Amino acid sequence: NAGVTQTPKFRVLKTGQSMTLLCAQDMNHEYMYWYRQDPGMGLRLIHYSVGEGTTAKGEVPDGYNVSRLKKQNFLLGLESAAPSQTSVYFCASSYSAGPQHFGDGTRLSIL
Amino acid sequence: RKEVEQDPGPFNVPEGATVAFNCTYSNSASQSFFWYRQDCRKEPKLLMSVYSSGNEDGRFTAQLNRASQYISLLIRDSKLSDSATYLCVVNGITGGGNKLTFGTGTQLKVEL
Repeated sequence: NAGVTQTPKFRVLKTGQSMTLLCAQDMNHEYMYWYRQDPGMGLRLIHYSVGEGTTAKGEVPDGYNVSRLKKQNFLLGLESAAPSQTSVYFCASSYSAGPQHFGDGTRLSIL
Repeated sequence: RKEVEQDPGPFNVPEGATVAFNCTYSNSASQSFFWYRQDCRKEPKLLMSVYSSGNEDGRFTAQLNRASQYISLLIRDSKLSDSATYLCVVNGITGGGNKLTFGTGTQLKVEL
């Protein structure tokens, strides 16, 4: 009964390092999303995908890249981490117009 | 004006009380609406969808007023376990697909 799984759960990076966050869903959803959540702010959409091989920019895409090579996986990359990217990252998936189902988050700190 | 606005609270209520949250949205073309619940340091979870005619799920009632562009959530007979942040979510279908806009949430604390 996995749903949406995010790895890793926690990570500490130094400024300038790179890393990839992995999101996997087993619900056969077409749409997948990456959000970040910061104190006092709502969830903000970073990038999203409406199907395998397609990606699009959300509200705050700068400094991030994504790839959707397989329908069940959506990767979020930080090429050169900055302290401003310290946040909690959530992945979500959905059918086209339905509510989104979230993973349990990745807590990322950049020193 | 924010796309989705909520009173951040916190709302501190005694157990058994009835509490109501409101949310306003700016995009009149928005097509679907949801309430999510988020516990501290956890992921948001769908509480209920909001339908034009209003809908109820146990102690929870959601209402939509398209003319005034607001959504409400009523919780009756509050339980300690209802303590959480409640997110109002509005869906505006764009050319790129299913775009949800989240409010910043209203915090509820139910006390003995």
